[in-house]
Amino acid sequence: KQEVTQIPAALSVPEGENLVLNCSFTDSAIYNLQWFRQDPGKGLTSLLLIQSSQREQTSGRLNASLDKSSGRSTLYIAASQPGDSATYLCAVRVENNDMRFGAGTRLTVKP
Amino acid sequence: NAGVTQTPKFQVLKTGQSMTLQCAQDMNHEYMSWYRQDPGMGLRLIHYSVGAGITDQGEVPNGYNVSRSTTEDFPLRLLSAAPSQTSVYFCASSYSRTLNTEAFFGQGTRLTVV
Repeated sequence: KQEVTQIPAALSVPEGENLVLNCSFTDSAIYNLQWFRQDPGKGLTSLLLIQSSQREQTSGRLNASLDKSSGRSTLYIAASQPGDSATYLCAVRVENNDMRFGAGTRLTVKP
Repeated sequence: NAGVTQTPKFQVLKTGQSMTLQCAQDMNHEYMSWYRQDPGMGLRLIHYSVGAGITDQGEVPNGYNVSRSTTEDFPLRLLSAAPSQTSVYFCASSYSRTLNTEAFFGQGTRLTVV
């Protein structure tokens, strides 16, 4: 069974820092990996989608990488801002269209 | 374009009551699914549908029913609510049956069973 782990569970950084969030998965047989942002009491907002054949995707200050063979993905946030404070979730899509989620990393960016 | 819309946003039920959580999407997506999110855990798949008239079970289906009579709607029914079903429920949709498409999520329904 596919297991997805996100480390760290919580992270607090001062504004302006560059940071990396980690996601690991146990089975490399994935179709894609998606990073989401979730604000307290809100739904999931898609940030980046990486297909299994891709190595990375970029959107603004965000860069996500995928190393399928080692079962790892990272989300890099450049020049963090207080508005980036949220929980970040990664999910891998497996067969039957199921998505397996990590428990998330709660990010706090302090002014 | 409203995306994925869930109603209600909040609900309190008594043990044994039944209710239906509504989910609608206006993106003509074939694939729709329901997840529950519990503290400290990732989202877990309850049921999914790859098209109108087709549904299947996910990881945690017990106590829930679904149907898909139209492409747009995918309601989730709690047959006899239990405190263990207290959770936040999310509906999601994707464009097609292929497995390389982005998933879009609704804003969630926060359910409390007392």
